[in-house]
Amino acid sequence: GAGVSQSPSNKVTEKGKDVELRCDPISGHTALYWYRQSLGQGLEFLIYFQGNSAPDKSGLPSDRFSAERTGGSVSTLTIQRTQQEDSAVYLCASSLAGLGETQYFGPGTRLLVL
Amino acid sequence: GEDVEQSLFLSVREGDSSVINCTYTDSSSTYLYWYKQEPGAGLQLLTYIFSNMDMKQDQRLTVLLNKKDKHLSLRIADTQTGDSAIYFCAESNQAGTALIFGKGTTLSVSS
Repeated sequence: GAGVSQSPSNKVTEKGKDVELRCDPISGHTALYWYRQSLGQGLEFLIYFQGNSAPDKSGLPSDRFSAERTGGSVSTLTIQRTQQEDSAVYLCASSLAGLGETQYFGPGTRLLVL
Repeated sequence: GEDVEQSLFLSVREGDSSVINCTYTDSSSTYLYWYKQEPGAGLQLLTYIFSNMDMKQDQRLTVLLNKKDKHLSLRIADTQTGDSAIYFCAESNQAGTALIFGKGTTLSVSS
């Protein structure tokens, strides 16, 4: 497709349940990023994938958060045992390569944990 | 660590110029960015400037960079109601693996 796509666009879940969020980067982009946007915290970096290198997970807030990128393309962000403070918009971005290349963002997944 | 600061709100009248200011801490950033977010929408790359430039102009947008003071500004000429949005300033982290964003400036344009 022309841009980064994310699914679902909205997700409502109950506290304690696991959720999976999906990101399809722009075709040909080797770098993929996950960010979280929440009230009061602004935009926070979560994780970065570049090609076959080990991901930079330094932004993940707890071990309940994990992400995979299969085949160097699609990525899934998984949040286990969701908490109310996980409610936020989760944004995915991709870039042609890493290290300073311009990042293009998807529309985000709005997660609400009840 | 890296940090990016912006004022939170700016209100202007249609036709006026808007200036959104940002300060950052990491002088090693190769690029500095401005993103726009409209209500309910994702982040849209508006413009960026290479760190060895002082100014970049793109139609109604002018970006000014003062590396000495670590100050970045975005000027929007002839501001329109359609420019109402949240504007984020961003720099790369030291590893170059992520963007560090400011909290965003909400621009409100009245007619």
